[in-house]
Amino acid sequence: QSALTQPASVSGSPGQSITISCTGTSSDVGSYNLVSWYQQHPGKAPKLMIYEGSRRPSGVSNRFSGSKSGNTASLTISGLQAEDEADYYCCSYAGSYTWVFGGGTELTVL
Amino acid sequence: QVQLQESGPGLVKPSQTLSLTCTVSGGSISSGSHYWSWIRQPAGKGLEWIGRTYTSVSTNYNPSLKSRVTISVDTSKNQFSLKLSSVTAADTAVYYCARSGSSPYFFDYWGQGTLVTVSS
Repeated sequence: QSALTQPASVSGSPGQSITISCTGTSSDVGSYNLVSWYQQHPGKAPKLMIYEGSRRPSGVSNRFSGSKSGNTASLTISGLQAEDEADYYCCSYAGSYTWVFGGGTELTVL
Repeated sequence: QVQLQESGPGLVKPSQTLSLTCTVSGGSISSGSHYWSWIRQPAGKGLEWIGRTYTSVSTNYNPSLKSRVTISVDTSKNQFSLKLSSVTAADTAVYYCARSGSSPYFFDYWGQGTLVTVSS
């Protein structure tokens, strides 16, 4: 069970859109539409942003959206805002009642 | 509003057992509607799922840690606990407790995290 692969960093200017990829295998991301995404500000606990691939919890801005193609899931943030600057982690169900996270992506708002 | 709070020693000696407790408020741990997990994060690194419990009888663990991990529930105290044996410096991390949401496949509420350092 290996960690999902995310880019170490992405950046964008306010108002722009960015996409963070999360690549797994046919045993996790590719087999289930059960990827979740978490936002983590420095020194804080992770916050759920997307679950079951593309569903948003109540209270999360509709600027955040999720999708999947094959073994790769993606998180898109549109209309980038300064407050979006944080680390983002993907997580996938990996079968046999186990979960695997990605290594995290640092988002910088320029 | 559900709240989770981790507690336990911040320093553990190598080869000893790390023990943490997560106290749940704002909801009953025995309601039967949620799973309760432990997740850790070494400094500057990513998150790692450790394991989860539904009741102390129903548990699932990360295969890489399974031989050293025990997660249990104390419904009388509305708490669940983590024990990780034979710790090394590699187990130094911020440990989070978390609740699974309306389905068991994501984590909707998290504790603030507690730093555990393994050092002699």
